[in-house]
Amino acid sequence: RKEVEQDPGPFNVPEGATVAFNCTYSNSASQSFFWYRQDCRKEPKLLMSVYSSGNEDGRFTAQLNRASQYISLLIRDSKLSDSATYLCVVNSINFNKFYFGSGTKLNVKP
Amino acid sequence: EAGVTQFPSHSVIEKGQTVTLRCDPISGHDNLYWYRRVMGKEIKFLLHFVKESKQDESGMPNNRFLAERTGGTYSTLKVQPAELEDSGVYFCASSRTGQPQHFGDGTRLSIL
Repeated sequence: RKEVEQDPGPFNVPEGATVAFNCTYSNSASQSFFWYRQDCRKEPKLLMSVYSSGNEDGRFTAQLNRASQYISLLIRDSKLSDSATYLCVVNSINFNKFYFGSGTKLNVKP
Repeated sequence: EAGVTQFPSHSVIEKGQTVTLRCDPISGHDNLYWYRRVMGKEIKFLLHFVKESKQDESGMPNNRFLAERTGGTYSTLKVQPAELEDSGVYFCASSRTGQPQHFGDGTRLSIL
């Protein structure tokens, strides 16, 4: 079983739509969780960390569900510029190793 | 502050040759990571340095790969001899302990 699993998509949504991605992780001892965004042929860039209490940054909301071992990312009022691949990243104990999901591709259409 | 920088951005070499990739982390970041993404697959961990020490190298594919971080500053990843399956994008990332990683632009390696 993979450490981190994501639906690869693509999610094709119109501008202004709300879209949500989930990501599941296998190690219940995982300590830190992040969403990264990766544009085509570019490096991953940190979008937001995911905290136990949930956190929001503008149109983006991240949630962590430890009991079910998943994290989610909600994007409201989608923009064309949100089109990218969203990577779920989970770290191991002691911050030694980070595991990446395969990414969820989002296409926001006009 | 300057970000993580990687050199070269692209490298095309023949099977059997040697290639060395370089990563300069963000100043003050003790943690340096190497990752690889092969076509159609997820990004995979290769190894992790804390300063000049290898903390975890369990992701290194085989002994053709050698990573060093002399003096705890920049790091190099050498592939010798390169094989076709080594093609992919090699990312370097750095962080302060417990903090999110910042990635370099990656080195796109093509083995012919």
